[in-house]
Amino acid sequence: GGIITQTPKFLIGQEGQKLTLKCQQNFNHDTMYWYRQDSGKGLRLIYYSITENDLQKGDLSEGYDASREKKSSFSLTVTSAQKNEMAVFLCASWGGSQNTLYFGAGTRLSVL
Amino acid sequence: GEQVEQRPPHLSVREGDSAIIICTYTDSATAYFSWYKQEAGAGLQLLMSVLSNVDRKEEQGLTVLLNKKDKRLSLNLTAAHPGDSAVYFCAVRRSNNRIFFGDGTQLVVKP
Repeated sequence: GGIITQTPKFLIGQEGQKLTLKCQQNFNHDTMYWYRQDSGKGLRLIYYSITENDLQKGDLSEGYDASREKKSSFSLTVTSAQKNEMAVFLCASWGGSQNTLYFGAGTRLSVL
Repeated sequence: GEQVEQRPPHLSVREGDSAIIICTYTDSATAYFSWYKQEAGAGLQLLMSVLSNVDRKEEQGLTVLLNKKDKRLSLNLTAAHPGDSAVYFCAVRRSNNRIFFGDGTQLVVKP
């Protein structure tokens, strides 16, 4: 079976800082996603990518950049961290025999 | 764009009772439907997924119903037990690869 690895697990930043979150998958899936989950809330789509070097904006793309330089990796950049921002960022890839999303464990962001 | 409405936001049932969660969606081009479970402090665990040509699927005490005419997806936990207490999310995938989630249902199963 495959796995999705997100790094770092915890990220503490300063207001205005540029922060990068990384995601690697070894499923060989084409499509990958970045979601943001705020405490007690659902998942909101930030960016997704259907293949290497492809980027598609989600509903929450403002304030973020993404990069898909390799099929196996999809990174997300917070362009300017907002003070007191706290959320979990989830990376996922789509595929497999069940045709569904496989999630990483998440990166928990706190901004001081 | 696609909207996914999930209800109820909170659900409390007694052990052994059924728990039903419903999602409605707007885009008839939606092709895949999934349910996920998220326990406190943990990631999302896939419970079941169905294609748009499936009306009903049952696995291990869970029943998923898909009503394409009404654009409604439901999850029924038959005979719920305390270990089922978690947040449940529906997810729908459109033909353009965008995947939308409901806002979640906090289920509490009391002994």
